[in-house]
Amino acid sequence: DQQVKQNSPSLSVQEGRISILNCDYTNSMFDYFLWYKKYPAEGPTFLISISSIKDKNEDGRFTVFLNKSAKHLSLHIVPSQPGDSAVYFCAGFSSGSARQLTFGSGTQLTVLP
Amino acid sequence: DTGVSQNPRHKITKRGQNVTFRCDPISEHNRLYWYRQTLGQGPEFLTYFQNEAQLEKSRLLSDRFSAERPKGSFSTLEIQRTEQGDSAMYLCASSQTSGGAIETQYFGPGTRLLVL
Repeated sequence: DQQVKQNSPSLSVQEGRISILNCDYTNSMFDYFLWYKKYPAEGPTFLISISSIKDKNEDGRFTVFLNKSAKHLSLHIVPSQPGDSAVYFCAGFSSGSARQLTFGSGTQLTVLP
Repeated sequence: DTGVSQNPRHKITKRGQNVTFRCDPISEHNRLYWYRQTLGQGPEFLTYFQNEAQLEKSRLLSDRFSAERPKGSFSTLEIQRTEQGDSAMYLCASSQTSGGAIETQYFGPGTRLLVL
Protein backbone atom coordinates (compact mmCIF):
# COMPACT_ATOMS: atom_id res chain seq x y z
CA ASP A 1 0.00 0.00 0.00
CA GLN A 2 1.77 3.12 -1.26
CA GLN A 3 0.61 5.87 1.05
CA VAL A 4 2.75 8.49 -0.68
CA LYS A 5 3.09 8.58 -4.45
CA GLN A 6 5.28 10.59 -6.76
CA ASN A 7 3.97 9.68 -10.17
CA SER A 8 6.59 11.47 -12.23
CA PRO A 9 9.92 9.65 -12.07
CA SER A 10 11.69 12.47 -13.88
CA LEU A 11 11.34 16.14 -14.81
CA SER A 12 13.53 18.40 -16.95
CA VAL A 13 13.35 22.18 -16.85
CA GLN A 14 15.39 25.02 -18.24
CA GLU A 15 17.57 27.06 -15.91
CA GLY A 16 15.69 30.07 -14.59
CA ARG A 17 12.25 28.55 -15.12
CA ILE A 18 9.93 27.09 -12.51
CA SER A 19 10.18 23.45 -11.41
CA ILE A 20 7.00 21.89 -10.05
CA LEU A 21 7.27 18.53 -8.32
CA ASN A 22 4.08 16.75 -7.33
CA CYS A 23 3.16 14.31 -4.62
CA ASP A 24 -0.11 12.54 -3.75
CA TYR A 25 -0.98 10.76 -0.55
CA THR A 26 -3.72 8.50 0.73
CA ASN A 27 -3.20 8.62 4.52
CA SER A 28 -5.29 11.45 5.93
CA MET A 29 -3.60 10.97 9.32
CA PHE A 30 -0.34 12.60 8.26
CA ASP A 31 0.44 15.54 10.56
CA TYR A 32 3.02 17.14 8.34
CA PHE A 33 4.99 16.67 5.18
CA LEU A 34 8.64 17.19 4.34
CA TRP A 35 10.57 17.47 1.12
CA TYR A 36 14.09 16.15 0.83
CA LYS A 37 16.69 16.45 -1.91
CA LYS A 38 19.13 13.64 -2.57
CA TYR A 39 22.34 13.60 -4.57
CA PRO A 40 23.88 10.26 -5.62
CA ALA A 41 25.81 8.47 -2.86
CA GLU A 42 24.57 10.93 -0.21
CA GLY A 43 21.81 10.87 2.34
CA PRO A 44 18.63 12.93 1.86
CA THR A 45 18.95 16.62 2.72
CA PHE A 46 15.98 18.39 4.27
CA LEU A 47 14.50 21.19 2.16
CA ILE A 48 11.18 22.40 3.48
CA SER A 49 8.20 21.20 5.49
CA ILE A 50 4.51 22.00 5.85
CA SER A 51 2.03 21.26 8.58
CA SER A 52 -1.24 19.61 7.60
CA ILE A 53 -3.08 22.66 8.95
CA LYS A 54 -1.34 24.99 6.50
CA ASP A 55 -1.76 25.32 2.76
CA LYS A 56 1.50 27.03 1.89
CA ASN A 57 5.02 27.41 3.20
CA GLU A 58 7.78 29.39 1.56
CA ASP A 59 11.54 29.42 2.10
CA GLY A 60 13.59 31.36 -0.40
CA ARG A 61 13.28 29.79 -3.83
CA PHE A 62 11.24 26.87 -2.45
CA THR A 63 7.48 26.91 -1.85
CA VAL A 64 5.37 23.94 -0.85
CA PHE A 65 1.61 23.91 -1.40
CA LEU A 66 -0.78 21.53 0.30
CA ASN A 67 -4.29 20.75 -0.94
CA LYS A 68 -5.83 18.57 1.76
CA SER A 69 -9.10 17.96 -0.03
CA ALA A 70 -7.21 16.58 -3.02
CA LYS A 71 -4.57 14.91 -0.83
CA HIS A 72 -1.95 16.56 -3.00
CA LEU A 73 1.16 18.58 -2.37
CA SER A 74 3.62 20.24 -4.69
CA LEU A 75 7.06 21.77 -4.42
CA HIS A 76 7.82 24.82 -6.54
CA ILE A 77 11.39 25.90 -7.19
CA VAL A 78 11.79 29.36 -8.69
CA PRO A 79 14.12 30.11 -10.36
CA SER A 80 15.56 26.67 -11.03
CA GLN A 81 19.34 26.36 -11.01
CA PRO A 82 21.60 23.58 -12.36
CA GLY A 83 22.64 22.78 -8.76
CA ASP A 84 19.02 21.85 -8.05
CA SER A 85 19.44 18.74 -10.21
CA ALA A 86 18.84 15.85 -7.80
CA VAL A 87 16.21 13.35 -6.74
CA TYR A 88 13.41 14.95 -4.71
CA PHE A 89 11.41 12.95 -2.19
CA CYS A 90 8.24 13.94 -0.41
CA ALA A 91 7.44 12.26 2.88
CA GLY A 92 4.51 12.27 5.28
CA PHE A 93 4.76 11.92 9.04
CA SER A 94 2.13 10.68 11.45
CA SER A 95 2.69 11.25 15.17
CA GLY A 96 0.22 8.53 16.03
CA SER A 97 1.09 4.91 16.61
CA ALA A 98 3.52 4.71 13.68
CA ARG A 99 6.13 7.41 14.25
CA GLN A 100 7.91 7.28 10.93
CA LEU A 101 8.39 9.13 7.70
CA THR A 102 6.65 7.50 4.75
CA PHE A 103 8.41 8.42 1.54
CA GLY A 104 7.38 8.57 -2.08
CA SER A 105 9.58 6.96 -4.71
CA GLY A 106 11.17 10.24 -5.76
CA THR A 107 11.37 12.47 -8.83
CA GLN A 108 14.66 13.06 -10.64
CA LEU A 109 14.87 16.77 -11.46
CA THR A 110 17.29 17.86 -14.16
CA VAL A 111 17.85 21.59 -14.64
CA LEU A 112 19.35 22.30 -18.04
CA PRO A 113 21.76 25.23 -18.37
CA ASP B 1 30.95 18.59 11.45
CA THR B 2 27.88 18.34 13.68
CA GLY B 3 25.68 16.35 11.30
CA VAL B 4 24.70 12.69 11.41
CA SER B 5 27.59 10.39 10.62
CA GLN B 6 27.53 6.76 9.54
CA ASN B 7 30.27 4.17 9.29
CA PRO B 8 31.32 2.44 7.20
CA ARG B 9 30.18 4.24 4.06
CA HIS B 10 30.46 1.09 1.99
CA LYS B 11 30.45 -2.58 2.89
CA ILE B 12 30.87 -5.59 0.63
CA THR B 13 30.25 -8.95 2.20
CA LYS B 14 29.58 -12.51 1.22
CA ARG B 15 26.19 -14.10 1.70
CA GLY B 16 25.87 -15.63 5.15
CA GLN B 17 28.25 -13.22 6.87
CA ASN B 18 27.25 -10.83 9.63
CA VAL B 19 27.63 -7.07 9.25
CA THR B 20 27.31 -4.17 11.67
CA PHE B 21 26.76 -0.51 10.87
CA ARG B 22 27.17 2.44 13.20
CA CYS B 23 25.29 5.73 13.35
CA ASP B 24 26.27 8.80 15.36
CA PRO B 25 23.33 11.22 15.53
CA ILE B 26 23.41 14.96 16.03
CA SER B 27 24.50 15.26 19.66
CA GLU B 28 21.42 16.87 21.20
CA HIS B 29 18.91 14.69 19.32
CA ASN B 30 17.01 12.16 21.40
CA ARG B 31 15.33 10.28 18.53
CA LEU B 32 17.15 8.06 16.08
CA TYR B 33 15.70 6.28 13.05
CA TRP B 34 16.98 3.61 10.66
CA TYR B 35 15.74 3.39 7.08
CA ARG B 36 16.61 1.23 4.10
CA GLN B 37 16.62 2.45 0.53
CA THR B 38 16.77 0.30 -2.59
CA LEU B 39 17.26 1.48 -6.15
CA GLY B 40 14.40 3.55 -7.50
CA GLN B 41 12.56 3.67 -4.20
CA GLY B 42 12.28 6.09 -1.35
CA PRO B 43 13.69 5.24 2.07
CA GLU B 44 11.64 2.68 4.01
CA PHE B 45 11.36 2.81 7.78
CA LEU B 46 13.06 0.03 9.76
CA THR B 47 13.13 1.04 13.40
CA TYR B 48 13.18 4.00 15.79
CA PHE B 49 14.67 4.82 19.20
CA GLN B 50 13.78 7.44 21.72
CA ASN B 51 16.88 7.77 23.86
CA GLU B 52 17.94 4.15 24.47
CA ALA B 53 14.47 2.62 24.08
CA GLN B 54 13.59 0.94 20.80
CA LEU B 55 9.96 1.98 20.42
CA GLU B 56 9.00 0.71 17.02
CA LYS B 57 10.06 -1.88 14.48
CA SER B 58 8.87 -2.33 10.91
CA ARG B 59 7.79 -5.72 9.61
CA LEU B 60 10.71 -5.27 7.20
CA LEU B 61 12.99 -5.86 10.17
CA SER B 62 13.24 -9.65 10.14
CA ASP B 63 14.74 -11.58 13.05
CA ARG B 64 18.11 -11.41 11.30
CA PHE B 65 18.19 -7.68 11.99
CA SER B 66 18.90 -6.16 15.38
CA ALA B 67 19.46 -2.58 16.41
CA GLU B 68 20.72 -1.07 19.63
CA ARG B 69 21.28 2.34 21.12
CA PRO B 70 22.86 1.40 24.44
CA LYS B 71 23.45 4.81 26.00
CA GLY B 72 21.01 6.84 24.00
CA SER B 73 23.78 8.23 21.83
CA PHE B 74 25.18 6.22 18.90
CA SER B 75 23.31 3.26 17.43
CA THR B 76 24.31 0.05 15.71
CA LEU B 77 22.38 -2.01 13.18
CA GLU B 78 23.46 -5.62 12.78
CA ILE B 79 22.39 -7.98 10.03
CA GLN B 80 23.09 -11.65 10.65
CA ARG B 81 23.40 -14.29 7.91
CA THR B 82 23.20 -11.67 5.17
CA GLU B 83 21.25 -12.43 2.01
CA GLN B 84 21.57 -10.88 -1.43
CA GLY B 85 18.22 -9.18 -0.88
CA ASP B 86 19.77 -7.21 1.98
CA SER B 87 21.83 -5.22 -0.54
CA ALA B 88 20.67 -1.62 -0.12
CA MET B 89 21.58 1.77 1.28
CA TYR B 90 21.03 1.88 5.05
CA LEU B 91 20.23 5.36 6.27
CA CYS B 92 20.20 6.75 9.77
CA ALA B 93 18.36 9.90 10.78
CA SER B 94 18.02 11.81 14.03
CA SER B 95 15.61 14.38 15.40
CA GLN B 96 14.80 16.24 18.59
CA THR B 97 11.43 16.05 20.34
CA SER B 98 9.53 19.14 19.30
CA GLY B 99 6.52 19.21 21.60
CA GLY B 100 4.01 18.90 18.79
CA ALA B 101 5.75 21.11 16.24
CA ILE B 102 7.22 19.73 13.03
CA GLU B 103 10.12 17.45 13.95
CA THR B 104 12.64 17.42 11.15
CA GLN B 105 14.67 14.27 10.67
CA TYR B 106 18.23 14.86 9.54
CA PHE B 107 19.87 12.07 7.60
CA GLY B 108 23.38 10.75 7.52
CA PRO B 109 25.23 9.86 4.31
CA GLY B 110 24.21 6.20 4.53
CA THR B 111 26.03 2.88 4.41
CA ARG B 112 25.83 1.09 1.09
CA LEU B 113 25.76 -2.67 1.56
CA LEU B 114 26.47 -5.13 -1.22
CA VAL B 115 25.98 -8.81 -0.49
CA LEU B 116 27.67 -11.11 -2.99
